[in-house]
Amino acid sequence: AQTVTQSQPEMSVQEAETVTLSCTYDTSENNYYLFWYKQPPSRQMILVIRQEAYKQQNATENRFSVNFQKAAKSFSLKISDSQLGDTAMYFCAFMKHASDDKIIFGKGTRLHILP
Amino acid sequence: DSGVTQTPKHLITATGQRVTLRCSPRSGDLSVYWYQQSLDQGLQFLIQYYNGEERAKGNILERFSAQQFPDLHSELNLSSLELGDSALYFCASSVGENEQFFGPGTRLTVL
Repeated sequence: AQTVTQSQPEMSVQEAETVTLSCTYDTSENNYYLFWYKQPPSRQMILVIRQEAYKQQNATENRFSVNFQKAAKSFSLKISDSQLGDTAMYFCAFMKHASDDKIIFGKGTRLHILP
Repeated sequence: DSGVTQTPKHLITATGQRVTLRCSPRSGDLSVYWYQQSLDQGLQFLIQYYNGEERAKGNILERFSAQQFPDLHSELNLSSLELGDSALYFCASSVGENEQFFGPGTRLTVL
């Protein structure tokens, strides 16, 4: 069975700083997807970034980038030039590479961006 | 806006009661997933439907059931409610491209 672990329950950083959220996972699959979801106070689940395991290049989306280490089963999220609107709960998530499969979520990291 | 709608947004009910949560997927999406987000269990997969058929089950209690109708909307039925069923229930949909789009959720409070 797959598991996703986020070891940082809560983090705080100053606005404009760079912050890295950690995530490790366990799977015997070779092909899979990894995600970071953001859940702001509105509770909406928003996809931040997605990584396909067979792609070696790390995914980037504007100020968001990942450090994907397949052998180490590590998938960290870096937020550059952090903004107040980045304050949210962040979930690391895993999905097998198959059409239609459930997403397995980590417990989340609560990120506070301080003014 | 993900294109997935859920009703109602909030639901307050008493223990022992039964409620129905409704989800309308994005246009064209055949798969519907239900997830439960609670304080102690985090976000957990409950059940998946694909084009009207149950495809996968997760940690769904026997008191809970779901179905997907011919128009592809889905309903999650929760019965004999307990205090511990209080949670945020998400519906997500996909058309098989390995990305799920989440609705805004239904917050259930059991008193």
